[in-house]
Amino acid sequence: GNSVTQMEGPVTLSEEAFLTINCTYTATGYPSLFWYVQYPGEGLQLLLKATKADDKGSNKGFEATYRKETTSFHLEKGSVQVSDSAVYFCALLYSGGYQKVTFGIGTKLQVIP
Amino acid sequence: NAGVTQTPKFQVLKTGQSMTLQCAQDMNHNSMYWYRQDPGMGLRLIYYSASEGTTDKGEVPNGYNVSRLNKREFSLRLESAAPSQTSVYFCASSGVQGDTEAFFGQGTRLTVV
Repeated sequence: GNSVTQMEGPVTLSEEAFLTINCTYTATGYPSLFWYVQYPGEGLQLLLKATKADDKGSNKGFEATYRKETTSFHLEKGSVQVSDSAVYFCALLYSGGYQKVTFGIGTKLQVIP
Repeated sequence: NAGVTQTPKFQVLKTGQSMTLQCAQDMNHNSMYWYRQDPGMGLRLIYYSASEGTTDKGEVPNGYNVSRLNKREFSLRLESAAPSQTSVYFCASSGVQGDTEAFFGQGTRLTVV
């Protein structure tokens, strides 16, 4: 079946540090890939997405590239801020006749001043 | 545009009591989901509905029942609440196109004492 493997946190970084959160997936067909962010006390919201191989999703300084050859969708940001402290979820959307979303376990990011 | 609306936001139950969590979406999505989120466990799928009139078990269905009342509404029922069901519950929906992301409600924080 479809699955998403995500690095476990927590990840603690100093402000302005470089961020990478790894995500790999297993899926049949050609899923769409997503990163969601959850700020404390809130629901999940979409951060960025990519729908086909070599697509790059980007938003708020975050980027991720859909790499079919390595089945990966790693999240990166060049310079994190305290306000980026949140939980980040990698997800895939399978749509082979029906739609189903599969999430990774989530990675907690804490950015310290 | 309300998106996904969940009620209630908070609930405290005694062991053995029953309750229903309500979820409604106004985006004409076919697929709807119920997840629970526990510390260190990420998002776990309880039940899933690919379309009106169909439901499927997810990873952790025991102790829950669902109803897809119509295309808009997907409810989750706890027949006899247990402390192990203390969690934050999220409803989500996703659309018919392959690149449509899942949209989440704000969550229900349930405590069973």
